[in-house]
Amino acid sequence: RKEVEQDPGPFNVPEGATVAFNCTYSNSASQSFFWYRQDCRKEPKLLMSVYSSGNEDGRFTAQLNRASQYISLLIRDSKLSDSATYLCVVFSGGYNKLIFGAGTRLAVHP
Amino acid sequence: EAGVTQFPSHSVIEKGQTVTLRCDPISGHDNLYWYRRVMGKEIKFLLHFVKESKQDESGMPNNRFLAERTGGTYSTLKVQPAELEDSGVYFCASSQDPGTAAFFGQGTRLTVV
Repeated sequence: RKEVEQDPGPFNVPEGATVAFNCTYSNSASQSFFWYRQDCRKEPKLLMSVYSSGNEDGRFTAQLNRASQYISLLIRDSKLSDSATYLCVVFSGGYNKLIFGAGTRLAVHP
Repeated sequence: EAGVTQFPSHSVIEKGQTVTLRCDPISGHDNLYWYRRVMGKEIKFLLHFVKESKQDESGMPNNRFLAERTGGTYSTLKVQPAELEDSGVYFCASSQDPGTAAFFGQGTRLTVV
C-alpha cells in the first residue's frame, strides 16, 4: 500500500464548477500536510498547508481528518488556469521526508 | 528573494558517464532535500540534509548516487556511472524549519542514453 494515495483523475470540469479531491495517508504519526500544484514539466509549487481546523485561501479550502487519515482540497468557481496536477504531500514522522501522492489531474474547460 | 535554483536544467549523457547536478537552496534554509520523478511515477524522496549533515538518505537508490553539501550551502548530486534507469527529473527543495513547506527548484531533466 502506498503511503499517500490519491485518485489520479483526470477530473474534467467546466469553468465555474466546484471540484473536490481527496487523499489518504497511512502513517498515523504524520504531522504536516500540504497541497502542491504541478503544471506540466514544471516543479511542484506550494498551494497551501493543511491545518487540523481546516483552512481557506480564496477559492481553495483544505480540510484534514486525522481520525480517518484523509485530506481534502475543494476548489470553488474553477478557472481555466486551475488546470494542473494537484499533489497531496505529507511529512513523515521525524520531518525528514515529504511523501508525495501520485497527483490528481484537473482539466478545466470553457 | 531568489528561489531554489538548479543546474543544469537538462542533461543528456551516455550510459556509463558521470553527471553532477547542483542545487542552490533559498538563502538561510538549513533543510535541503533531493527528490526524483521517473516517467509515469510519483515524486520520490532521495535524501535530506540539515546544514551539511545527511539526516536521512534512505531514498538513495544505490551507491552510484552520491550527494554532498559541503559548508551547508549548495548541494551536489553525482551519479556515477549513470544507467538508463536513472533518467528522470531530479528536484531539489529547501525549507527553513523541519516540518514546514518546502520550496522546489525547477528541476534537472536527466536523460541517459
